Amino acid sequence: EVQLAESGGGLVQPGGSLRLSCAASGFIFSNYWMHWVRQAPGKGLVWVSHINSDGTTINYADSVKGRFTISRDNAKNTLYLQMNSLRPEDTAVYYCARGYCSGGSCYLPADWGQGTLVTVSS
Amino acid sequence: ETVMTQSPATLSVSPGERATLSCRASQSVGSNLAWYQQKPGQGPRLLIYAASTRATGIPASFSGRGSGTEFTLTISSLQSEDFAVYYCQQYNNWPPAFGQGTKVEIK
Repeated sequence: EVQLAESGGGLVQPGGSLRLSCAASGFIFSNYWMHWVRQAPGKGLVWVSHINSDGTTINYADSVKGRFTISRDNAKNTLYLQMNSLRPEDTAVYYCARGYCSGGSCYLPADWGQGTLVTVSS
Repeated sequence: ETVMTQSPATLSVSPGERATLSCRASQSVGSNLAWYQQKPGQGPRLLIYAASTRATGIPASFSGRGSGTEFTLTISSLQSEDFAVYYCQQYNNWPPAFGQGTKVEIK
């Protein structure tokens, strides 16, 4: 069974930093693209970033580019999201998701964790 | 950037009835369209990908249709566990984008 467990969320002041982790189990982590998707309170889903299986292809939404860094440790079966220069509008539940490649695209988050809440406020 | 628009925002349906949700893309996404179900406090669950292929373990009561810019998700006979928020997502064009969601509520 695929399991994804996010951690590292919490309350941080504007301008601060936070690192999220996503521990994966139940599948061969090093074979899959991985994604981060966020959801502001009471709002819809917004894709944040993804990374391919070996970490050589990385993309970000414009809203986080230059502030967030995605990475992975295949030896530890863990995905990370380093978030710097945080803003109030970054407040959201952050989900990690295992990717699936379909129709020539690998931009499909297929299996999701339960999420971790990040609150940016003074 | 491809904008995804879902309608209606809220759909009130009685248990056992059929529900049809719509999703429109601002430009063609081919068949690279997925549908997700989300319940309160939970992460989304993939229902449909490639516009019409059910994900593993998804019952046949869920079906998807469409290509290009117009897509639909049909739930043939609503059960109590189907009342939730549904999102479409295009994964054909950069950046990947979700619709704003349709809430299916009990009438």
